[in-house]
Amino acid sequence: EPEVTQTPSHQVTQMGQEVILRCVPISNHLYFYWYRQILGQKVEFLVSFYNNEISEKSEIFDDQFSVERPDGSNFTLKIRSTKLEDSAMYFCASSDVTNQPQHFGDGTRLSIL
Amino acid sequence: AQKITQTQPGMFVQEKEAVTLDCTYDTSDQSYGLFWYKQPSSGEMIFLIYQGSYDEQNATEGRYSLNFQKARKSANLVISASQLGDSAMYFCAMREGGRTGNQFYFGTGTSLTVIP
Repeated sequence: EPEVTQTPSHQVTQMGQEVILRCVPISNHLYFYWYRQILGQKVEFLVSFYNNEISEKSEIFDDQFSVERPDGSNFTLKIRSTKLEDSAMYFCASSDVTNQPQHFGDGTRLSIL
Repeated sequence: AQKITQTQPGMFVQEKEAVTLDCTYDTSDQSYGLFWYKQPSSGEMIFLIYQGSYDEQNATEGRYSLNFQKARKSANLVISASQLGDSAMYFCAMREGGRTGNQFYFGTGTSLTVIP
């Protein structure tokens, strides 16, 4: 069964540095998402992306964050000037044009030191 | 107001018994989708079951069924014949509106422990 893949599985970064989290959505999916989950808390929506542009974003997704689909397969989340509170699990998800569910990757655990 | 409310932070169930995990939702949209995900200790999010707001029958997927009560705005997950591997966090989620690209709203989750 096709799946969403995320790399790396764990990223450790110094505060103030930039990180790029990478995702390969399911190949025939058209909608892409990023969510984050701070340890022990619920999953929070960051951004959705369709047709090469952001379709929806939350208040969490401020100027520190950006997303990009640099080619036909990858979908990236960039976090500039990371802060301690950016430490979380970041999930990428994708869905197709039907009302089928969002399929999640296994997540990238981001640790800011 | 919270879009999704899960009032059971932790639940225990005996192996082979059935368990119900509660979920209530809040929306004024007529078209919406309700989902349940399982998150094992390893952290991945696994889709379990989906219920559309216009679906007249309760969704079922193997040992999982969704008890959908539209008037009460509840979408409880029922796991039958619990197995040790069912021990995990369970999240209820909702997508408002009919558009596929809408965000999911998640509840705070229920931690299920299956006792041998």
